Amino acid sequence: DQQVKQNSPSLSVQEGRISILNCDYTNSMFDYFLWYKKYPAEGPTFLISISSIKDKNEDGRFTVFLNKSAKHLSLHIVPSQPGDSAVYFCAASGGGGGSNYKLTFGKGTLLTVNP
Amino acid sequence: GAGVSQTPSNKVTEKGKYVELRCDPISGHTALYWYRQSLGQGPEFLIYFQGTGAADDSGLPNDRFFAVRPEGSVSTLKIQRTERGDSAVYLCASSLGPGQRSYEQYFGPGTRLTVT
Repeated sequence: DQQVKQNSPSLSVQEGRISILNCDYTNSMFDYFLWYKKYPAEGPTFLISISSIKDKNEDGRFTVFLNKSAKHLSLHIVPSQPGDSAVYFCAASGGGGGSNYKLTFGKGTLLTVNP
Repeated sequence: GAGVSQTPSNKVTEKGKYVELRCDPISGHTALYWYRQSLGQGPEFLIYFQGTGAADDSGLPNDRFFAVRPEGSVSTLKIQRTERGDSAVYLCASSLGPGQRSYEQYFGPGTRLTVT
């Protein structure tokens, strides 16, 4: 049973517009949520995280929104750039430290930003 | 500073052989994780080290898989009697110790293992 779901395998947007990537989760014990970007033949690169006690975190062009009641989070990229084209993974972990921080990943969404 | 490094980047081996995959974490990171990523899937947790000890090995698929971190820095993932189903990208990640945003993990480039 998948605890973290990214239901859109792919997304295509125009350069300069907003990209919205979605993620749903089922485990109410998750305390931290993270987004990673992955280029082919490279490891995942950490982008941004959010704690379950917050509903928004912003870092430059990237903003993550968390809706705990709906068990849903989204990553907004504004404005989108061709270099943002990659696979984006949503991940979640428990709290309290130690092995609770092991990450559970979704299957990823391939974002293509067209010039 | 230097990120997480993994060697080799690619490994092709025959079914039944033994392989070792190495991970060098970010200097000062005390937590180290191994994940495995199969085609079309997200990474899946294998094992977690805090310092030298394996604090959680619940993700290891069977007893053919073993990992060590003898001095609390470099880690080696060992796979015995490899099977074709072991083919995947093996990722290593490290993070700061407890209380320092240690839920944020930084990944290496991975080792692509192919078992023929």
